[in-house]
Amino acid sequence: DAGVIQSPRHEVTEMGQEVTLRCKPISGHDYLFWYRQTMMRGLELLIYFNNNVPIDDSGMPEDRFSAKMPNASFSTLKIQPSEPRDSAVYFCASSQERTGSMNTEAFFGQGTRLTVV
Amino acid sequence: DAKTTQPPSMDCAEGRAANLPCNHSTISGNEYVYWYRQIHSQGPQYIIHGLKNNETNEMASLIITEDRKSSTLILPHATLRDTAVYYCIAAYRAGNMLTFGGGTRLMVKP
Repeated sequence: DAGVIQSPRHEVTEMGQEVTLRCKPISGHDYLFWYRQTMMRGLELLIYFNNNVPIDDSGMPEDRFSAKMPNASFSTLKIQPSEPRDSAVYFCASSQERTGSMNTEAFFGQGTRLTVV
Repeated sequence: DAKTTQPPSMDCAEGRAANLPCNHSTISGNEYVYWYRQIHSQGPQYIIHGLKNNETNEMASLIITEDRKSSTLILPHATLRDTAVYYCIAAYRAGNMLTFGGGTRLMVKP
């Protein structure tokens, strides 16, 4: 498997524009996570899905942020309108939780570096 | 998830063992201890995890105290490529780590 794939790797946009980040999880994984990393706040969990259903979005900073998972192989994180303080590296991760066995690890993508000017 | 405490930085000589400590005194019975590392600006990389018993894989060993209030990650023969930020996290579920904390910045020196 190619691992968790994120696109684009880098995104530069102007304030007020809509930004869409994309993630393809590892095939067969039933959990998908979106994280944001900044120097000030470190790595923060924004939202996670189980079997394509959003379970916890308490980490989503504002209504400007939204995430979807239309199917098991694709998820998006959208920011509309974007602001300079949204500049960060956004990571997607996926994992597979197997009932009855030891909890498994999560695999992270390479991230999308977002710069809002 | 339980809070973890790690030293902000450590140095290690190349070829020597690197022992990275982590305190998680409020860990609950069904929380796992996970270790990840982040090299430069790459995505975090899974290293190892455990619940009660010590664990070993091709990358590292994880020693968990009997009371589970602390653990140590051991890189048996550190190389320059092991220079990274190492995160210790207590979590119920893989990936569901609400915050990674500051981690320990390990510098492996020649």
